[in-house]
Amino acid sequence: EVQLVESGGGLVQPGGSLRLSCAASGFTFSSYWMSWVRQAPGKGLEWVANIKQDGSEKYYVDSVKGRFTISRDNAKNSLYLQMNSLRAEDTAVYYCAREAMAGTGAFDYWGQGTLVTVSS
Amino acid sequence: QSALTQPASVSGSPGQSITISCTGTSSDVGGYNYVSWYQQHPGKAPKLMIYEVSNRPSGVPDRFSGSKSGNTASLTISGLQAEDEADYYCSSYTSSHVVFGGGTKLTVL
Repeated sequence: EVQLVESGGGLVQPGGSLRLSCAASGFTFSSYWMSWVRQAPGKGLEWVANIKQDGSEKYYVDSVKGRFTISRDNAKNSLYLQMNSLRAEDTAVYYCAREAMAGTGAFDYWGQGTLVTVSS
Repeated sequence: QSALTQPASVSGSPGQSITISCTGTSSDVGGYNYVSWYQQHPGKAPKLMIYEVSNRPSGVPDRFSGSKSGNTASLTISGLQAEDEADYYCSSYTSSHVVFGGGTKLTVL
């Protein structure tokens, strides 16, 4: 059974940092593009970043470029999101998601999400 | 990277059909056959319902169908059921990025 389990969310002050993790199981993690998608309270979905199977390509939504870094450790079946210079508008539930097929942007499995709250 | 445009809400009675539109540009919806649709119930993670415009993942009822014309994609749900009441999001792949629509709340009357 495919499982994605996020962790690392919490309350952080504006300007602070947080590192999210996503533990994957039930599939060959190293064979898939992975993404982070977030959802602000009461709002819609927003794609944040993705990373190629071997980590050689990474892409970001403009609003997080230079502040967030996506990475992965295929030996540990884990996906990460390092978030620096956090702003109130980064407050959201952060989901990790598996891209069903490379280059399609279709996410067939999602984690349960981890809540990040940026507030003083 | 502007969000795709969806109606804020749609509604229908059990047994009826509804269609949700998703309008983008030639750089996203119109330029790729990589439109997906997701269903999200309150407090739950999104669920993939349609991928590559019109394909259904295993386990998704054939009441759900997708199509595309130009820069607008559509999700049609026929034979509405109470459990279809949820938020629906479209997305499009575009130049190694993904853009989502703003979401549509479906109410089953």
